Amino acid sequence: GAGVSQSPSNKVTEKGKDVELRCDPISGHTALYWYRQSLGQGLEFLIYFQGNSAPDKSGLPSDRFSAERTGGSVSTLTIQRTQQEDSAVYLCASSLEVYQPQHFGDGTRLSIL
Amino acid sequence: GQQLNQSPQSMFIQEGEDVSMNCTSSSIFNTWLWYKQDPGEGPVLLIALYKAGELTSNGRLTAQFGITRKDSFLNISASIPSDVGIYFCAGQVGNQFYFGTGTSLTVIP
Repeated sequence: GAGVSQSPSNKVTEKGKDVELRCDPISGHTALYWYRQSLGQGLEFLIYFQGNSAPDKSGLPSDRFSAERTGGSVSTLTIQRTQQEDSAVYLCASSLEVYQPQHFGDGTRLSIL
Repeated sequence: GQQLNQSPQSMFIQEGEDVSMNCTSSSIFNTWLWYKQDPGEGPVLLIALYKAGELTSNGRLTAQFGITRKDSFLNISASIPSDVGIYFCAGQVGNQFYFGTGTSLTVIP
């Protein structure tokens, strides 16, 4: 497709389970970003990729969070042993190069019961 | 991470009125961006500004990159009901992007 695609669009899971969120960036975009947005809040930066490399992982909230990107395209954000405070919308964005404007997907709404 | 100071937090205006919102930072940025987010969707890029003093329009929207490089404003003229949403500013320096806390706009028909 033409835009950033995220899946699933909604995910409900029990506390303690692992979840995997997927982001398919715009074709040709080398940079990819993950953000978290809690209800009514701004965007919390989590991690970005330049190609397959993540230069700065300090934005990840805890060691339960990890992300990878393979082939310079699709990225997955994994949350292990989910907690209720992980409930949020997880947004992915991509840009042609790191310093260029980001284009967002519609997010994955994650609910932890 | 760092967040930009965006104001006002919320606005309730009558259809047809003009709107102005701004974003300030203690840091200098190389790029300023303005996004609009509708419920259940991701932010959509409205305007990108690349040079201090730059004034750019996109239809009824006008945005400016402050001379000090520490602020930016967005104006919406003759508001219509579909302008409703949350507007975010974003500043870029190096490989880092920082987002404002958002301005929630409600347009009363």
